[in-house]
Amino acid sequence: GENVEQHPSTLSVQEGDSAVIKCTYSDSASNYFPWYKQELGKRPQLIIDIRSNVGEKKDQRIAVTLNKTAKHFSLHITETQPEDSAVYFCAASERGTSYGKLTFGQGTILTVHP
Amino acid sequence: EAGVAQSPRYKIIEKRQSVAFWCNPISGHATLYWYQQILGQGPKLLIQFQNNGVVDDSQLPKDRFSAERLKGVDSTLKIQPAKLEDSAVYLCASSPRSGTPNTGELFFGEGSRLTVL
Repeated sequence: GENVEQHPSTLSVQEGDSAVIKCTYSDSASNYFPWYKQELGKRPQLIIDIRSNVGEKKDQRIAVTLNKTAKHFSLHITETQPEDSAVYFCAASERGTSYGKLTFGQGTILTVHP
Repeated sequence: EAGVAQSPRYKIIEKRQSVAFWCNPISGHATLYWYQQILGQGPKLLIQFQNNGVVDDSQLPKDRFSAERLKGVDSTLKIQPAKLEDSAVYLCASSPRSGTPNTGELFFGEGSRLTVL
């Protein structure tokens, strides 16, 4: 099955700096790569996603890049704010299955210091 | 619209006891998932339903876990007997329709936190 590795496990930045979280996946047939944000004690919520026919997608301060050849994708947050502090999970969909059967990475705890 | 509802939010049991969790997905969502999230880890899929049929339960420990989705709406996840390593948050999620183009988002509930002593 699919295996998703996520790095770093923790990331600490100053407010206004950029943050980058990287993920690699194992199944070359994976075609859907979402990022979820989970605040402490809350449910995971989708913040951005990318499909395999696109190399980059941006939404205001958040962007995701995908390198299918290398089987890795990254989340970029610019001009970080304290409210960006949370756990971020990358995920990938598996071969032959519908959207939604996601394999998640281990998570990155992002802390933005004021 | 109302979100995914789960209950109970918290449950503490002794090992070897049983427990059941309930999930009510967003109205009209055909696909329902149960994920297990152990502290410090990403969610792991236990079972996926499409309407009331099981699509994938390959990672469900079937000797102790069971799940059903009656009438293609609500779902229950049961653990019997519970082990210490079952301590986790059990997240229910739903999505509009499996494989629908441009629809991949999972809508999660708040989760049910299980502590096994």
